[in-house]
Amino acid sequence: GAVVSQHPSRVICKSGTSVKIECRSLDFQATTMFWYRQFPKQSLMLMATSNEGSKATYEQGVEKDKFLINHASLTLSTLTVTSAHPEDSSFYICSASDLAGGRRQYFGPGTRLTVT
Amino acid sequence: QKEVEQNSGPLSVPEGAIASLNCTYSDRVSQSFFWYRQYSGKSPELIMSIYSNGDKEDGRFTAQLNKASQYVSLLIRDSQPSDSATYLCAVNTQRTSYDKVIFGPGTSLSVIP
Repeated sequence: GAVVSQHPSRVICKSGTSVKIECRSLDFQATTMFWYRQFPKQSLMLMATSNEGSKATYEQGVEKDKFLINHASLTLSTLTVTSAHPEDSSFYICSASDLAGGRRQYFGPGTRLTVT
Repeated sequence: QKEVEQNSGPLSVPEGAIASLNCTYSDRVSQSFFWYRQYSGKSPELIMSIYSNGDKEDGRFTAQLNKASQYVSLLIRDSQPSDSATYLCAVNTQRTSYDKVIFGPGTSLSVIP
């Protein structure tokens, strides 16, 4: 199957700092990329959907100025958590699709963010 | 009503038994349905996708779809302890100019040796 990587896999940062997470599709061109957040013992919550070259579409309740998403190329999307706070500590997972509409998604391994 | 619903479990079955996981969805125009398995601390991995009514079999896994009832299920035959994980049902749904996949809350499965 298709391979999606994320970097870093784990990050610990201090409250008030910003953290950037990269998501790369390694062997296909990702038309659409998705960013999810998952708190312990909860399901995946979609944060935003991004299509290459256009602005991301954020889900209701997700602050676009806090979670900056850039999808600059067909193989790379980044999520920047700005002014992170302890409540932002979570498991962030990206996925990528090579089909319009994201009907089949390939997930990255996830990034564990801990804000102290 | 939540868009995708699953029993949270935990569902416990003995090794070798059949595990049955159920999912209902609310968007009647949904066309694509997926089952993912997620181990603790890991990201989801796709087990099955199904697009038309009926059964689809892949090894020990069988997905069943009934669009009239807005119901999709996953059967795991000859359950193994390694099948112990959270199983996520996902449904493709259409939003204005784009589609997106909505995940259910997941069902925790425990296979007892």
